[in-house]
Amino acid sequence: AQTVTQSQPEMSVQEAETVTLSCTYDTSENNYYLFWYKQPPSRQMILVIRQEAYKQQNATENRFSVNFQKAAKSFSLKISDSQLGDTAMYFCAFMKQGAQKLVFGQGTRLTINP
Amino acid sequence: DTGVSQNPRHKITKRGQNVTFRCDPISEHNRLYWYRQTLGQGPEFLTYFQNEAQLEKSRLLSDRFSAERPKGSFSTLEIQRTEQGDSAMYLCASSLAGYTYEKLFFGSGTQLSVL
Repeated sequence: AQTVTQSQPEMSVQEAETVTLSCTYDTSENNYYLFWYKQPPSRQMILVIRQEAYKQQNATENRFSVNFQKAAKSFSLKISDSQLGDTAMYFCAFMKQGAQKLVFGQGTRLTINP
Repeated sequence: DTGVSQNPRHKITKRGQNVTFRCDPISEHNRLYWYRQTLGQGPEFLTYFQNEAQLEKSRLLSDRFSAERPKGSFSTLEIQRTEQGDSAMYLCASSLAGYTYEKLFFGSGTQLSVL
């Protein structure tokens, strides 16, 4: 079974700073996908960024980028130039290729302070 | 595209009562998923449908839980004889088969409180 671990329950930074959220996972699979989701107070899970395990290049979406270390089974999220609207719960998630279910970590509560 | 819609947004019930939640997926999506999220945790997979067929069920889905998607459109999740441990947010998501990796959309959930 796959597990996803987020070791930082809470983080807080000042607006415009850069912040990195950590995620590690455990799997025996070779082909899989990794995701970061954002859950604001509205409760809707919103996809931030995704990564295919077979790709060596780290995914980037505007201010969001990941550091994917397959051998170390690590998948961290970097948010650059953080904004007040980035305040939310962030969840790391894993999906085995061909499967339909996401396995989520426990989440990190990120607060961006003005 | 109106997004994934879930009703009700909140539900308070007494222990032992039955409750039913509804999810309306994005109209062209043929896959529909249910997840449960307890306080301070990430969502956990419960079940998913492709069209009207329920293709996978988690062990979390005890025999008090039943999910249906009778016409391959909206879905209902019923919990019979609710227990306090059922208190959680129930999330629905939908996607188009073959595009789950790229286009999985979540609703805003139904928050269940069992007193």
